Amino acid sequence: SYELTQPPSVSVSPGQTARITCSGHALPKQYAYWYQQKPGQAPLVVIYKDSERPSGIPERFSGSNSGTTVTLTISGVQAEDEADYHCQSADSSGNYVVFGGGTKLTVL
Amino acid sequence: QITLKESGPTLVKPTQTLTLTCSFSAFSLSTSGVGVGWIRQPPGKALECLAVIYWDDDERYRPSLRSRLSITKDTSKSQVVLTMTNMDPVDTATYYCVHTSGGNWPPFFDYWGQGTLVTVSS
Repeated sequence: SYELTQPPSVSVSPGQTARITCSGHALPKQYAYWYQQKPGQAPLVVIYKDSERPSGIPERFSGSNSGTTVTLTISGVQAEDEADYHCQSADSSGNYVVFGGGTKLTVL
Repeated sequence: QITLKESGPTLVKPTQTLTLTCSFSAFSLSTSGVGVGWIRQPPGKALECLAVIYWDDDERYRPSLRSRLSITKDTSKSQVVLTMTNMDPVDTATYYCVHTSGGNWPPFFDYWGQGTLVTVSS
């Protein structure tokens, strides 16, 4: 079955830039989405359609697509950004939704 | 404001059938492009999209679980029901009810319920 691959963890210091990748062979054909999940909370979408930011999401969150890899970039990371981040897309035939394994962002 | 709330058993025995109900407000599942689905997350693990039902009765299922899942809607009651048969301890997870709209594909889930932890144990 189709999978999206994320690094298990990323660590950055406050004020630095965090980049979280998500790889999958269908990503050139299917949009990707990113969710932030803090402990004990439901996920919250922070990027949709590869690079669009929902209203209310800080401008420091951005997304990009370079073929089989999509990237979530958090510029000027703040302590409150420490969370798990999940990418989501679909298989190449567009039949079902798939999530990545999640990446734990640690703010040092 | 859109809200979704899951209800159902918190403990089920192996081989039993799980039935979860999602009650929602501030939107209609008869509106074009709208869908309601179920996503689960085993403790410490990844999210898994189980099933989504759309305004036009289209149903999408996780292929590996298709034989065990059924999703139905009651538009008049603003409810969606997920049924999962032959429960196993590996199905222990937090189950979320989610909303999608706009007819996007893939869908993305802009509203989530608080989630309900279902434990499978004898």
